[in-house]
Amino acid sequence: DVKVTQSSRYLVKRTGEKVFLECVQDMDHENMFWYRQDPGLGLRLIYFSYDVKMKEKGDIPEGYSVSREKKERFSLILESASTNQTSMYLCASSLAGGRAYEQYFGPGTRLTVT
Amino acid sequence: AQSVTQPDIHITVSEGASLELRCNYSYGATPYLFWYVQSPGQGLQLLLKYFSGDTLVQGIKGFEAEFKRSQSSFNLRKPSVHWSDAAEYFCAIQMEYGNKLVFGAGTILRVKS
Repeated sequence: DVKVTQSSRYLVKRTGEKVFLECVQDMDHENMFWYRQDPGLGLRLIYFSYDVKMKEKGDIPEGYSVSREKKERFSLILESASTNQTSMYLCASSLAGGRAYEQYFGPGTRLTVT
Repeated sequence: AQSVTQPDIHITVSEGASLELRCNYSYGATPYLFWYVQSPGQGLQLLLKYFSGDTLVQGIKGFEAEFKRSQSSFNLRKPSVHWSDAAEYFCAIQMEYGNKLVFGAGTILRVKS
């Protein structure tokens, strides 16, 4: 059974803190993604990675960075959290090499920045 | 630029009634289209996908979708809704590069008994 796990379901942080969101997949997928989900806006891509140590910006990368040191793990980093980063964060992974490959999603991390 | 529009933010249907959720896309090349469902507190689960062939696609949980190129649409349907179908539904289009998805804003389905 395919699985994408995220380190926390709920997280509360203070403004200015450095925040790490961790994502692990056990499917040996090449591609991994971080999305942000907000009501009325759907999911927006923050960053994605198509290989270890490789990353590309998505549509809303400002205020975020990522790290992929191992194939199965993709981390999202908020260098200095702000209240406008309060949101649901979803991680996903997929095989590479074909557009028909679906993305598999983790359960999400609901982050609140106070 | 590529985009996905889901015109209905909320839809309420009675249990046992039929359902159609609308999705329109804008994309210059051949679209690869997906419908995902998100139950409360959960991640997204793939319902079905279209990338070629028969324009009527069958998915899980009794859902189907029809791709209409002339209307740039990929509407999701179910003949008889169950209370457990209450969730948020997302239509998405996949880019040619990197398997990236562009999502619509989502449609929240409420089922009344």
